[in-house]
Amino acid sequence: SQELEQSPQSLIVQEGKNLTINCTSSKTLYGLYWYKQKYGEGLIFLMMLQKGGEEKSHEKITAKLDEKKQQSSLHITASQPSHAGIYLCGADHSGAGSYQLTFGKGTKLSVIP
Amino acid sequence: SAVISQKPSRDICQRGTSLTIQCQVDSQVTMMFWYRQQPGQSLTLIATANQGSEATYESGFVIDKFPISRPNLTFSTLTVSNMSPEDSSIYLCAGGSYNEQFFGPGTRLTVL
Repeated sequence: SQELEQSPQSLIVQEGKNLTINCTSSKTLYGLYWYKQKYGEGLIFLMMLQKGGEEKSHEKITAKLDEKKQQSSLHITASQPSHAGIYLCGADHSGAGSYQLTFGKGTKLSVIP
Repeated sequence: SAVISQKPSRDICQRGTSLTIQCQVDSQVTMMFWYRQQPGQSLTLIATANQGSEATYESGFVIDKFPISRPNLTFSTLTVSNMSPEDSSIYLCAGGSYNEQFFGPGTRLTVL
């Protein structure tokens, strides 16, 4: 089974609505990275979480790592068409400061004006 | 932050040929990696590019098929050798520090 599960697989929201994307791991998350991918633009680094309960924000995007360090959520407030894309979570499961990441399959977000 | 560029951005190649992808980082980075993203799939790590020594390959990937070079802290190449249609994929270079890993825009490879 997949080590890192993202849900939902796809999401269509009306502009201005809030949304949440989840990333659930079967192993402890020692580092959890959120990226946004647009066609032809590679992955855009959003933020990285390490500590249980940690929460970070960047503009209207907030990500949190749960206390047990096995799930992270990404929340977008008042979504805009510019938020559309594929959101990927990547995990360090080694606990040894490994740079090698395991990725989820992504959540495709569409924002309808 | 680091800005990573890749060349070529896309290519269409014939079966049995090889393609070398270049990755350039605008600043020195500790680590550099090569990933593959097959259609509809998540990213899969191919190898860690080690400066001045042989790359470290993940299970399922071998040096003969994916030779990698990293002559300095800002540049790396990945060659996809003896290509088959199954190698059609997006190949991404990544690099940075532990707290911030940045990705290049990817190279979209189609093998006919």
